Amino acid sequence: LAKTTQPISMDSYEGQEVNITCSHNNIATNDYITWYQQFPSQGPRFIIQGYKTKVTNEVASLFIPADRKSSTLSLPRVSLSDTAVYYCLVGDIRKAAGNKLTFGGGTRVLVKP
Amino acid sequence: EAGVAQSPRYKIIEKRQSVAFWCNPISGHATLYWYQQILGQGPKLLIQFQNNGVVDDSQLPKDRFSAERLKGVDSTLKIQPAKLEDSAVYLCASSLDLSGGAGEQFFGPGTRLTVL
Repeated sequence: LAKTTQPISMDSYEGQEVNITCSHNNIATNDYITWYQQFPSQGPRFIIQGYKTKVTNEVASLFIPADRKSSTLSLPRVSLSDTAVYYCLVGDIRKAAGNKLTFGGGTRVLVKP
Repeated sequence: EAGVAQSPRYKIIEKRQSVAFWCNPISGHATLYWYQQILGQGPKLLIQFQNNGVVDDSQLPKDRFSAERLKGVDSTLKIQPAKLEDSAVYLCASSLDLSGGAGEQFFGPGTRLTVL
């Protein structure tokens, strides 16, 4: 089971780009990288998922280098409403039993005016 | 499309009492998850269902926790008897993934349990 390491917290300002890097040195061949966002008093919300290179959707980009030992979630032009905890998860999305996607402590992002 | 529904939203009980949480997943979602989230920590998977069957319950404290998924739709999670350390938010999530793998999960608002 791949373990992930991400910064405990990050501060940013409105309009800036926020990049959160997650380290997963033991990632397996069939593992995907998934990011979730969680606001206070709410359940986590899926942001983006990828396997390699770059994935982009309407809210974020995910950069994964060739060795896949780390990944970077990029949030462009953040606003105050992007203040949340961001979780990086690694696991085989095709497996059933024993998959056990594990949420770590996450990164608390605070966006300041 | 309706999201994952959970009830109650809040519950306060005394230690050694029993409590039950209910979850109604998104219609058509085969996989259902229960998580425990202690304040300041990430969610911890307690149990995962694939339709009616249990896929993973390795982190469920089976001496006091139980869960079932009736007819592959709604699910209940029970704690009996509760301990102080069970104070947490209990999150239910569902996913469409028919393989049972962790594709995109949709989370409910959670039930905040306080054990006094």
